[in-house]
Amino acid sequence: DAKTTQPPSMDCAEGRAANLPCNHSTISGNEYVYWYRQIHSQGPQYIIHGLKNNETNEMASLIITEDRKSSTLILPHATLRDTAVYYCIVRAASSGSARQLTFGSGTQLTVLP
Amino acid sequence: GAVVSQHPSRVICKSGTSVKIECRSLDFQATTMFWYRQFPKQSLMLMATSNEGSKATYEQGVEKDKFLINHASLTLSTLTVTSAHPEDSSFYICSARMGFSDNSPLHFGNGTRLTVT
Repeated sequence: DAKTTQPPSMDCAEGRAANLPCNHSTISGNEYVYWYRQIHSQGPQYIIHGLKNNETNEMASLIITEDRKSSTLILPHATLRDTAVYYCIVRAASSGSARQLTFGSGTQLTVLP
Repeated sequence: GAVVSQHPSRVICKSGTSVKIECRSLDFQATTMFWYRQFPKQSLMLMATSNEGSKATYEQGVEKDKFLINHASLTLSTLTVTSAHPEDSSFYICSARMGFSDNSPLHFGNGTRLTVT
């Protein structure tokens, strides 16, 4: 699976949009981009994933560049509860049994009041 | 709501004893579950892949005789830390894939904080 690069930390003001970048320049055609977050002392929480089109759900939006070498997770109105470590993970779709996720260091997002 | 349940959420045990951690998929069947470990201020590291009806596969450096995995049913996998030592103190997290699509995301339990005294 392709390697990802994320900034180690970011701050965001409460109520503003949080834009978390991720570089995955070695991504291949069948690899999806997944975003998870981990609030302190909890298990990771799935946020969103996509292949090449932009995606939106009730939690966030995922913007993937046309060349697919980078992406941005957008939390439209950050709250204090969004403070967490955010992981961008690239993984190929699997046929049959599931494939595991490989976690990098992620980005520590701190939402400031 | 949660789709993967872990129990217990935290456990304290004495050195030399064994501890069992349960991971259940809620309202879906999981032929494969994954066990991760996370030390303080570090990222999650995969320990092993639990396969229903067959032996688990372990990552390099993870002792299969120390971390026993049993995937007895399509909704339950257990991890037993045998002869626990203080260095086994960690945050253990399981995950399973919900959905049949090849790109269905993995969902994680809320983790088990193990402290070995």
